[in-house]
Parts: sequence; C-alpha cells; structure tokens
Amino acid sequence: DSGVTQTPKHLITATGQRVTLRCSPRSGDLSVYWYQQSLDQGLQFLIQYYNGEERAKGNILERFSAQQFPDLHSELNLSSLELGDSALYFCASSVRGGTRKETQYFGPGTRLLVL
Amino acid sequence: AQTVTQSQPEMSVQEAETVTLSCTYDTSESDYYLFWYKQPPSRQMILVIRQEAYKQQNATENRFSVNFQKAAKSFSLKISDSQLGDAAMYFCAYRGPGGSQGNLIFGKGTKLSVKP
Repeated sequence: DSGVTQTPKHLITATGQRVTLRCSPRSGDLSVYWYQQSLDQGLQFLIQYYNGEERAKGNILERFSAQQFPDLHSELNLSSLELGDSALYFCASSVRGGTRKETQYFGPGTRLLVL
Repeated sequence: AQTVTQSQPEMSVQEAETVTLSCTYDTSESDYYLFWYKQPPSRQMILVIRQEAYKQQNATENRFSVNFQKAAKSFSLKISDSQLGDAAMYFCAYRGPGGSQGNLIFGKGTKLSVKP
C-alpha cells in the first residue's frame, strides 16, 4: 500500500458526460501528479499540483481540468467525454515535487470506461 | 524533449533464472533520476528501484539491480533468481532535474513472463 488513495476504483459512463476523479496523497506529501495510461498512448503525464497551485502541465486536453484543495487532496475533472478517454488514471504524490531526489508513489488508479 | 525507449515488448524467463530488461533514454540534462516501476495484473504501479545520474555506483535492491551506463544513456534492469511473482509489466521512467521537469516520462513497457 503506497498510502495514496483514489476513488472511485471503476467508473462507467457515456460519451458527452462529465466525471470527477479524486486523489488523496500520502500524509505529508504536498505534490500531486496525474497520469493517464491507455493502450495506444501508454503512460502519459497530465498535470502536477504543488501545495494547491498548478506546477506543470503535460499532455492534458482542454476538456480536462484539475485542482488541489487546501487539505491537499486533488480532483481531476473530465468533461465532454469521448470513447478515447477510456483509460486508467493514476494519481501519484511526492513530498515537494521540485527536487530530483523524490520518489513518486502511485495510487491504485481509477479505471474509466466511456461507452 | 526527453524520451525513454524500451525495445523489448515482451520477455520470458524460467523461474530461478536471471533476466535483463533494457531501457535507453535521451536527454540533454546531466542531472536526473531513473526508475523502474513494476505493474502486476492488479495495475498498481510499484517502485522497484531508482538510480541517481550523478552516482556511478549501480543501484541494487535485493534481487533487483541496474546497469547504468550514463554515456550510452542506457539503464537496464537485472532480475536475479526470478520468481513467479515477478511476472508483470515493467516500466522504465526518467525524471528531470525537478521544478517544471518533475514529472516522470515512461517507456512503453516490457511484459515479463515467468515460467515455472
């Protein structure tokens, strides 16, 4: 158990809908990362938050957004869902997120299926 | 842009034998970290081992060790005394100096099968 929690574990929804994925980082970790794992794109970095503020952006679509709250949990919002958004979404956390020495610990992931 | 390449989509090893998974990367940075993550059928991403680029000594964690060749930009994972529980996808990952480069860049993965 990495100490990172994600809810829900599974999500099935329809095209055009909007969903919210939730992540709670390890105790004491200030930085949260979101990654998407799909069959065709592999594991891709989406976005990073550090202590409530956006730190870095990767290949995140405009239909996707995220935020980190004062209690440091984070939510990833996916809207106008398309079939291609079906994937496993991981959250990872690290202590500060700005130093190379840190290890990112991954949550169990949320499996999203868009029908 | 940094890239990570795993040229072996699938590998197979006999139980108790040794197997080496390959990884190459491309970066213009001199200071960075490299990681191997394991993803079993449960889909959980589990850190196996990490290597600091400025350290010449290869990292080891029990049965897992790496061969880090900085000049060649190569970072292979050796699994000794393979066990059935080692069967999984293995991902090589690169992390830059930090700040805006703090995210991980992953290779496509190598699926390892362990035969009894």
